[in-house]
This record gives sequence, structure tokens and C-alpha cells, in this order.
Amino acid sequence: NAGVTQTPKFRVLKTGQSMTLLCAQDMNHEYMYWYRQDPGMGLRLIHYSVGEGTTAKGEVPDGYNVSRLKKQNFLLGLESAAPSQTSVYFCASSYLTGNQPQHFGDGTRLSIL
Amino acid sequence: QQQVKQSPQSLIVQKGGISIINCAYENTAFDYFPWYQQFPGKGPALLIAIRPDVSEKKEGRFTISFNKSAKQFSLHIMDSQPGDSATYFCAASKASEKLVFGKGTKLTVNP
Repeated sequence: NAGVTQTPKFRVLKTGQSMTLLCAQDMNHEYMYWYRQDPGMGLRLIHYSVGEGTTAKGEVPDGYNVSRLKKQNFLLGLESAAPSQTSVYFCASSYLTGNQPQHFGDGTRLSIL
Repeated sequence: QQQVKQSPQSLIVQKGGISIINCAYENTAFDYFPWYQQFPGKGPALLIAIRPDVSEKKEGRFTISFNKSAKQFSLHIMDSQPGDSATYFCAASKASEKLVFGKGTKLTVNP
């Protein structure tokens, strides 16, 4: 049982390049989330999804897009990467939102030069 | 607006000591207060959680103390061990709403 799997684990981009981060969960969870973690800033929610085919903005959505075409997958896209998007990105999933545990992947470390 | 304030930002404790991390919240509608533990290179993982109908919850060496009137909750780690060295996040939410995380506390337990 893999839980939440994120790919890739590391990536270096140049400013202006685009890329997609993939998150897959095998727990049949309805809710999925993308966070970024920066030193001293904690976990900030970028986008989330309450079910297949749905997406919604979180706290820091600018510069990112997401898609949830399949229940088990949640993709995070950067259309034109900027140095300010250098961060560690975490995907999480939960059976329900609010007062339910969130299960996190091990993160993608993204550096933008 | 930071809805959950966590302190301290970092904490150094000797092996066998007690580690205490505090969080304060603003929204009285919050009804779920979890703590997450994150080791370097890993994602956060749920450690322990409490609901406001109890004032304390204990799981092994980890205890959450909850003060509803003060809108505060804290994590106590008894007999702290070097293996407890990690970053700890408090969080809060209300039913059908998203979790709001504190900014984290980096705990170092010296041998």
C-alpha cells in the first residue's frame, strides 16, 4: 500500500520553463491538496480538490494550475516558473475534509534558477 | 490573517527532558486540533489529535492539552528522545473546512 506518491522527487528548472508535478493516491480518498513549504512559513495551501473533476483555490494559488481528471491523481502545473516558486511541494489526501487526517507524500523539491 | 499561531519556532531539549510546543487559535468554531510530525526529507504525518470536548489526550509519551476558554492547545513530549527530533505542526479546522496549519516548530533533542 503506497499511500500518497509524488513524482518527481527533485527537479531544477530555469525561469520561464513549465512543468507538471504528479500526485497519486491509492486510498480512494475524495479530497486532495497541494501545499508548498518554505522556511519559517509552514505549510501553505495552493489548490485543493473535493472530488474527481473539481478544483478550488487555496491560500497561494497564483502562478499554479491543477487538474483532477481521475480520482486517484492530482496534478500541479507551473506554466512559467519563477524563482519565487522555489520550494518543497507536498501533496496530501484525505477521506473527508476538515476533521479528518491528511496523508502526505514525501514531497518534490523544486529549484528554479 | 494567521488563524493558528505556533511557538516557539525552534526548541532544543536534552534527552529525557520535556518538550512543550504551544498553539493559539482565533476561530471559536474550530473543533479539531491535530498535531503533525515531519522528519527531514519526509512529508508530515499525523501524530495525535484532540477535539474540544476533552481537555487532554495522551498517546504514549505524547500528550495534547487543550484550554478552550484560552483558545490554546499544546503538545507535551515526555522523556524526549533524539529520535523525536523533527518539525512539529499544529493545525485546526472545523467540520467540512480545510485544515489551517501553524508555522511549525523545529525540535532538536540532544543526546
